[in-house]
Amino acid sequence: QKEVEQNSGPLSVPEGAIASLNCTYSDRVSQSFFWYRQYSGKSPELIMSIYSNGDKEDGRFTAQLNKASQYVSLLIRDSQPSDSATYLCAVDDNDYKLSFGAGTTVTVRA
Amino acid sequence: GAGVSQSPSNKVTEKGKDVELRCDPISGHTALYWYRQSLGQGLEFLIYFQGNSAPDKSGLPSDRFSAERTGGSVSTLTIQRTQQEDSAVYLCAVGGSGNTIYFGEGSWLTVV
Repeated sequence: QKEVEQNSGPLSVPEGAIASLNCTYSDRVSQSFFWYRQYSGKSPELIMSIYSNGDKEDGRFTAQLNKASQYVSLLIRDSQPSDSATYLCAVDDNDYKLSFGAGTTVTVRA
Repeated sequence: GAGVSQSPSNKVTEKGKDVELRCDPISGHTALYWYRQSLGQGLEFLIYFQGNSAPDKSGLPSDRFSAERTGGSVSTLTIQRTQQEDSAVYLCAVGGSGNTIYFGEGSWLTVV
């Protein structure tokens, strides 16, 4: 599997703040990038996908991709206690397979 | 979740026993994956099925692990002679457009 590195965390932010999650990947030819959210004891849930350089916004989530730097990030604006979870970065390994990072655990303090 | 049903949801087995884990996707999904997540670890790819093509078994950790998919639908992951290090959540997933993967709720396996 290709390497996908995430900032180790845990990340603790106050309610209403911005949580910033970072991910770097090893393979320059990767084309598809994803963020999954995983609540404790649950399976991962896809929350964002991004394929082109730049920003992609969906509600309070913004994904940012920089292929030249092999870097993808996720911003969570106006963080809520319900955002407390582990966030997994995933990168395509080939035409069909994804490699996942180890995850960053986010805790939003009320 | 995402139209993928897995069973059993929890399984406790004794070391050395064989276990079968089942994945039943809703119809129309030709791509099916098995991933494994050990406690505190990332997701580890195990195997991929796509239609009638030969499966990608490159992630299976040992010859104790096997999987099949019958009729392009239900898939079974079999672990023979289970070991304690096999304790993990086994996640079945289906493929969507744009390389997306959607996971089922998982089968939690504990080997004692």
